Amino acid sequence: DGGITQSPKYLFRKEGQNVTLSCEQNLNHDAMYWYRQDPGQGLRLIYYSQIVNDFQKGDIAEGYSVSREKKESFPLTVTSAQKNPTAFYLCASSIGSTGVQYFGPGTRLTVT
Amino acid sequence: AQKVTQAQTEISVVEKEDVTLDCVYETRDTTYYLFWYKQPPSGELVFLIRRNSFDEQNEISGRYSWNFQKSTSSFNFTITASQVVDSAVYFCALSEAPSSNTGKLIFGQGTTLQVKP
Repeated sequence: DGGITQSPKYLFRKEGQNVTLSCEQNLNHDAMYWYRQDPGQGLRLIYYSQIVNDFQKGDIAEGYSVSREKKESFPLTVTSAQKNPTAFYLCASSIGSTGVQYFGPGTRLTVT
Repeated sequence: AQKVTQAQTEISVVEKEDVTLDCVYETRDTTYYLFWYKQPPSGELVFLIRRNSFDEQNEISGRYSWNFQKSTSSFNFTITASQVVDSAVYFCALSEAPSSNTGKLIFGQGTTLQVKP
């Protein structure tokens, strides 16, 4: 089945630790995105990548980092510099920048 | 700046009622896309529809229909004969102009729909 997988579904970390969220897609999409969702709010764009080995900051990139070494993978690292990392993180992909974005199941990160 | 407003935070209806979710957007772009996504309790966003800014035809898909009016910058979503399975958070989203090549979506705050049996 084609789709987007994110692992793990729930993640718990201590404050001050970096943590990496996985996002894999087998849809052969060129573009991939990371969004953050806080309770009662819409999604906000963290980073996006239109092509392998290239990515750009979104609206709330501070405290986050990404890599795009393979077309199918776009991992997100939440660093200790992110002041409020507890949130629901959603990964998406699309054929191109104008394609429909399809989302993965999300990872709920809790930092204490 | 681009903005999407979903003024209805929560809506509660009884099964079989019709319900309309409102979406108002702001953009200076002449070319853009509008979207609706559904987020069930599981959390994954499910794509429902995409509309091009040049296509103002209303669309119907089963119990779902969408009314796009550029004159009022609105893209409203109606569910006819609602069912319990329609209970979810619904997001309206606006894309940046295709020429920006970002693919960025601007989301509204979402409307939580509860359909009671």
